[in-house]
Amino acid sequence: AQKVTQAQTEISVVEKEDVTLDCVYETRDTTYYLFWYKQPPSGELVFLIRRNSFDEQNEISGRYSWNFQKSTSSFNFTITASQVVDSAVYFCALSEGPERGNKLVFGAGTILRVKS
Amino acid sequence: GAGVSQTPSNKVTEKGKYVELRCDPISGHTALYWYRQSLGQGPEFLIYFQGTGAADDSGLPNDRFFAVRPEGSVSTLKIQRTERGDSAVYLCASSVTGDALSYEQYFGPGTRLTVT
Repeated sequence: AQKVTQAQTEISVVEKEDVTLDCVYETRDTTYYLFWYKQPPSGELVFLIRRNSFDEQNEISGRYSWNFQKSTSSFNFTITASQVVDSAVYFCALSEGPERGNKLVFGAGTILRVKS
Repeated sequence: GAGVSQTPSNKVTEKGKYVELRCDPISGHTALYWYRQSLGQGPEFLIYFQGTGAADDSGLPNDRFFAVRPEGSVSTLKIQRTERGDSAVYLCASSVTGDALSYEQYFGPGTRLTVT
């Protein structure tokens, strides 16, 4: 069965600190897709990244980077030099693709608070 | 361009009443999804449309919930005989297509349903 675990319920950091949000997933499929979404206080989910299971290259986008490790079933997200505007709830999600309806299975989310 | 829109943004109804929630996806997106998000939790999948047909309705909690997408664009989620446990934020998402890869889903702002 599909499952996503975000063990960190809440993280507080001071501005400019680096922070890593953990995500561990379970799936029976060999082809799957992983996502990160941000939900700021306004409430709207914002897509950040999609990673395919067959592409283990790590990715960097500005202050954001993602570390995908199939061997440990993890897809962690690091924010470098955090800013107050990064404060939000971050969700990791898994999809097993079109054969399973492309539905996203979300983790419980990690609340990130960045203090000035 | 315009994102996913949902109306109403808030809905308060009495227990036992019928409600309809509307979703207008991004123009050209053939796949449409409904999720439900309870307080402090990640979104949970309800139903997925590819075009006009419901390709996967496995997440609908019971037969009080029903959704349609008659012309392959706008979708309506219908809840009969509402119960207090139905109170949540109902999220709609759309993606370019759902029949190949698992493309990223773009979410609307949600409808907050409160059943009193």
